[in-house]
Amino acid sequence: DAMVIQNPRYQVTQFGKPVTLSCSQTLNHNVMYWYQQKSSQAPKLLFHYYDKDFNNEADTPDNFQSRRPNTSFCFLDIRSPGLGDAAMYLCATSSLTQNNEQFFGPGTRLTVL
Amino acid sequence: DAKTTQPNSMESNEEEPVHLPCNHSTISGTDYIHWYRQLPSQGPEYVIHGLTSNVNNRMASLAIAEDRKSSTLILHRATLRDAAVYYCILSPGDSNYQLIWGAGTKLIIKP
Repeated sequence: DAMVIQNPRYQVTQFGKPVTLSCSQTLNHNVMYWYQQKSSQAPKLLFHYYDKDFNNEADTPDNFQSRRPNTSFCFLDIRSPGLGDAAMYLCATSSLTQNNEQFFGPGTRLTVL
Repeated sequence: DAKTTQPNSMESNEEEPVHLPCNHSTISGTDYIHWYRQLPSQGPEYVIHGLTSNVNNRMASLAIAEDRKSSTLILHRATLRDAAVYYCILSPGDSNYQLIWGAGTKLIIKP
């Protein structure tokens, strides 16, 4: 089945230690998104790629970076994680021909010690 | 950006219909209304969307008020597997990526 895959499902890092979360998709969608979701809150968009074009949300901290080396893969880099960055990180994809229906992965839960 | 307001939580009995309300009084004429749900420990999943007319699909129905200032997601026969957080979302018609999320309604299904 076509899907959005996130690895790892659970990630533990230390305060200030860089961490990378990965996402892959088999849907061949041209848009990929990274969201941050804190407990009991709605997902918050960090940035998205339309093909190779990177689009950062205005309030996304510089501490968060992303890479998309090809259509299938997208990475979220947190350069110096703080305690406030502990959250669920969700990757999603969409095709511009499908009314902005977004397909989400299961998420990576990040713990910062 | 237009916002949505939803009840924090709702309870329903299994195998009964569920009506989940959403207010979006500042919606603009080109905003689409989307609903997603998020089951425990999973990513959100698309449920349904519409612009002006009521919509039906295999998962649910979406009833949109004539003035578009509110909408209702209808689950015709809720099961225990429908227990989730349901998000009412606006998607600006001039954006092909933006979703403006509501706070969500936690739906509790009682057996």
